[in-house]
Amino acid sequence: GAGVSQSPSNKVTEKGKDVELRCDPISGHTALYWYRQSLGQGLEFLIYFQGNSAPDKSGLPSDRFSAERTGGSVSTLTIQRTQQEDSAVYLCASSTWTRDIYGYTFGSGTRLTVV
Amino acid sequence: AQTVTQSQPEMSVQEAETVTLSCTYDTSESDYYLFWYKQPPSRQMILVIRQEAYKQQNATENRFSVNFQKAAKSFSLKISDSQLGDAAMYFCAYRSATGANSKLTFGKGITLSVRP
Repeated sequence: GAGVSQSPSNKVTEKGKDVELRCDPISGHTALYWYRQSLGQGLEFLIYFQGNSAPDKSGLPSDRFSAERTGGSVSTLTIQRTQQEDSAVYLCASSTWTRDIYGYTFGSGTRLTVV
Repeated sequence: AQTVTQSQPEMSVQEAETVTLSCTYDTSESDYYLFWYKQPPSRQMILVIRQEAYKQQNATENRFSVNFQKAAKSFSLKISDSQLGDAAMYFCAYRSATGANSKLTFGKGITLSVRP
């Protein structure tokens, strides 16, 4: 597609439920990143995928968070047993390669609200 | 680990005036990139300007320019002739130029309002 697409745009879920957030990167972009933006905070790195390499999961805050990227394209971020502190905007970004000095192209994010 | 600090949570500027947004960072690396991103209410992060650390010349993009002080680890953004459309959150970000992982490290952002 022309840009990075994320769905859903907004998600309200009950505490304890599982949620899946989807990111569809720009076609041909091999690098994909997930970030979390909590209210009043900057963007917090969660996970990074590059081609067929093992993902860098160093930013995932707990084992309730996981992500996969199928076929080197679409990625899904899963949060199990959601908690209120998981409420945030989850942003996805992609780039052509790891050393792309022009930075990333971001999606518009998914706003997750846990009630 | 690298850190990025934006100490001003909010700023306001009169339309057509100039405003400077501050950013400092901490790193032990010598080769890196610095970025300013704009986030309007649509939430999509938009790259405003970037600077390679090895370049002494400050980057400029139309009305946007930076003051890059490598020794002081300072990277401020100057917006000239401010427009109503400049109102947004602005994030300063750092990225290492070495290593396999090119993740960005962001500051907490600053909310810029533009008064008509």
